[in-house]
Amino acid sequence: QVTLKESGPGILQPSQTLSLTCSFSGFSLSTYGMCVGWIRQSSGKGLEWLANIWWNDDKYYNPSLKNRLTISKDTSNNQAFLKITNMDTADTATYYCARGYYPAAWGQGVMVTVSS
Amino acid sequence: DVVLTQTPVSLSVTLGDQASISCRSSQSLEYSDGYTYLEWYLQKPGQSPQLLIYEVSNRFSGVPDRFIGSGSGTDFTLKISRVEPEDLGVYYCFQATHDPPLTFGSGTKLEIK
Repeated sequence: QVTLKESGPGILQPSQTLSLTCSFSGFSLSTYGMCVGWIRQSSGKGLEWLANIWWNDDKYYNPSLKNRLTISKDTSNNQAFLKITNMDTADTATYYCARGYYPAAWGQGVMVTVSS
Repeated sequence: DVVLTQTPVSLSVTLGDQASISCRSSQSLEYSDGYTYLEWYLQKPGQSPQLLIYEVSNRFSGVPDRFIGSGSGTDFTLKISRVEPEDLGVYYCFQATHDPPLTFGSGTKLEIK
């Protein structure tokens, strides 16, 4: 059974860096063809893809945020990470991690609020 | 970026009736490998999105055959026959052909009359 769970700070101030962790089970990011991505959803809004990381450590980012995003993984501990620098109130959202190039399994999401 | 335009924005359907959602892409979604990476998701209230259809017309594991995806190129449709109460929520199309970025449609809210 594939499961994913996101964790993060909950609340942070503008200009701070957001660090998110995705802890997963039921698959390995060292398996050929495997991919984990991050997607966010602002309150009442649609879905925005942020980044993907592949089994071979290839990384792809949304160009609209590329300079602020860093995705990484710890294969041994079945975790993926996302950092977003210079957070703004507009980045307040629920952040999801998901498995697959087209996400087939999603975590429950973690709410992140940016507020001074 | 590929823009996916979904219509209608919202849909009110009687239980047992059919619902149809359109997704139009600003570019053809056929990839050079011959596959078309257009997917459909349902986000039920208070839940994470769940994959319904992948590569235009393939139902994901456990998805009832009431959900039918079709289309090609730039025009795609999700039909839900015999709508049931558990079908309510927001439906999103998603393209994984042209990246980055991967993009979602803006969503269609299905309500039950």
